[in-house]
Amino acid sequence: EAGVVQSPRYKIIEKKQPVAFWCNPISGHNTLYWYLQNLGQGPELLIRYENEEAVDDSQLPKDRFSAERLKGVDSTLKIQPAELGDSAVYLCASRGTGAASFFGPGTRLTVL
Amino acid sequence: QQQVKQSPQSLIVQKGGISIINCAYENTAFDYFPWYQQFPGKGPALLIAIRPDVSEKKEGRFTISFNKSAKQFSLHIMDSQPGDSATYFCAASRGGGADGLTFGKGTHLIIQP
Repeated sequence: EAGVVQSPRYKIIEKKQPVAFWCNPISGHNTLYWYLQNLGQGPELLIRYENEEAVDDSQLPKDRFSAERLKGVDSTLKIQPAELGDSAVYLCASRGTGAASFFGPGTRLTVL
Repeated sequence: QQQVKQSPQSLIVQKGGISIINCAYENTAFDYFPWYQQFPGKGPALLIAIRPDVSEKKEGRFTISFNKSAKQFSLHIMDSQPGDSATYFCAASRGGGADGLTFGKGTHLIIQP
């Protein structure tokens, strides 16, 4: 069974440019999460989807961040415009009917 | 407000020894407590998890001890091996894992041969 797939794995952009990250969860997992992981820190939840509905986006900085999961499967996280402080690893995770969340490899973003 | 506090920040253990990492939480609504292992350049991988109705759970060389009254839980790695060298995160969640995870800051574990 394939795990959570994320792309790209690495992205380097200049500040004020837009950037998007894509996630494909484990097949059959209705719950999808986006997390932000700064260097040397634990992941921090940005948004949680149940199917196509964002049920918790309280930690998503909505002035520059947006996310969508239109058909309840794949998801995209966008930053526009990116700032220097957005440099981090963006992790996607999915959960099925059990308690466990499974993480993808992440996208490492560098903003110059 | 840091809801999950993890210690130590780094830990060096000799091969064959016991590695112990501790976490404390504040929110009594948490009802699911997993531990994740993360290697450089990889996403966190679930090691073992526990619910508060159980005081201990063991899977192979990994054991979680849970103290509900003290709001603390710990990970014990028995017979630590160099391949266990990684960063370990404790986490907590409400809704039986549904609500999303609140992570500790991580422990960088080094197992010396």
